[in-house]
Amino acid sequence: EVQLVESGGGLVQPGRSLKLSCLASGFTFSNYGMNWIRQAPGKGLEWVASISSSSSYIYYADTVKGRFTISRDNAKNTLYLQMTSLRSEDTALYYCARHRGAMGITPFDYWGQGVMVTVSS
Amino acid sequence: DIQVTQSPSSLLASLGERVTITCQTSQSISNNLNWYQQKPGQAPMLLIYYATSLQTGMPSRFSGQYSGRSFTLTITSLEPEDIANYFCLQHYSAPYTFGAGTKLELK
Repeated sequence: EVQLVESGGGLVQPGRSLKLSCLASGFTFSNYGMNWIRQAPGKGLEWVASISSSSSYIYYADTVKGRFTISRDNAKNTLYLQMTSLRSEDTALYYCARHRGAMGITPFDYWGQGVMVTVSS
Repeated sequence: DIQVTQSPSSLLASLGERVTITCQTSQSISNNLNWYQQKPGQAPMLLIYYATSLQTGMPSRFSGQYSGRSFTLTITSLEPEDIANYFCLQHYSAPYTFGAGTKLELK
């Protein structure tokens, strides 16, 4: 059974940093591209970042480019999102989601349940 | 960026009723659109991928169609367990973009 479990969220002050993790199980993690998606309270979904299976291709939303870094450790079956210079508008439920393949034009098929990040003083 | 316009934003329907939700994209994406179901407190679940393919394990009352830039999700006969939020996602090109969602409720 495919499982994605996010962790690392919490309350953080504006301007500070936080690192999210997504532990994958039930599939060969190193064969799949991965994504971070977020949903602010009462708002729609926003794609944040993607990384290919071998980390060769990485893409970011303009809203986080230069502040967030997506990475992965295939030996640990874990996806990461390092978030720096956090702003109140980064407050959201953060999901990780799997591409159906290495990346390319493939659907997002499995999602985690999400982890909450609150940026507030 | 590709814009995705989803309608309606909310929908009241009766059990057994046929339900249709639509997403329109701002440019051609071929069939690179997915539909998801999300219930409160749960992870989104993939229903339809590549616009028309039913995800394994999903009920056959769910179907997807598309024509040009217009995509539809249809539930042929609404069941109680279908009450949820539904949204679409275009995965043709980054930045990947989502429809705003449809909240499906019982009439």
